[in-house]
Amino acid sequence: QAQLVESGGGVVQPGRSLRLSCAASGIIFSSYGMHWVRQAPGKGLEWVAVIWYDGSKKHYADSVKGRFTISRDNSKNTLYLQMNSLRVEDTALYYCARDASGGSGWFDPWGQGTLVSVSS
Amino acid sequence: QSVLTQPPSVSAAPGQKVTISCSGSTSNIGNNYVSWYQQLPGTAPKLLIYENNERPSGIPDRFSGSKSGTSATLAITGLQTGDEADYYCGAWDSSRSLSVFYVFGTGTKVTVL
Repeated sequence: QAQLVESGGGVVQPGRSLRLSCAASGIIFSSYGMHWVRQAPGKGLEWVAVIWYDGSKKHYADSVKGRFTISRDNSKNTLYLQMNSLRVEDTALYYCARDASGGSGWFDPWGQGTLVSVSS
Repeated sequence: QSVLTQPPSVSAAPGQKVTISCSGSTSNIGNNYVSWYQQLPGTAPKLLIYENNERPSGIPDRFSGSKSGTSATLAITGLQTGDEADYYCGAWDSSRSLSVFYVFGTGTKVTVL
């Protein structure tokens, strides 16, 4: 059974940093691209970043480019999101999701999410 | 970055049919596959439809997807109270040179009357 479990969320002041983790089990982690998607309270889904299966390519949403870095450790079956220079508007539930499509763009499964709250 | 446009809400009685539209452009829906996700209250999104009209195993055939040009549609027939949820479409967008990004729809709340 494929499972993704996020961790690392919390309350942080604007301008500070936070690193999220996503532990994968039940899948051949090194074979799949991985995404981060966030959802602000009461709002819709917003795609954040993607990393190719081997880490060779990374793409970001304009809203986080230059501040967030996606990475992975295939030996640990773990995905990361380093978030620097956090802003109030980064407050959201952050989900990791497997790109199960091999390119056509569909996400399955999703983790349960980890909450990031940026507040002074 | 662009988003895909969905109606904020749709509703129907149990047993009836609802359709949810997802409008985009040639840089996303027009040239890429569309997927659909169901988000029940308080839970993570779940894949419903992939590659425009394919259902993952375990998804009932009451859910169907289609695509035409720069728009896509999710149809739910035989509506059940358990279908009350938010629904999102999604697709890759290739409007940026040297880079790609993914876009989600604005989301549609389905209410069973």
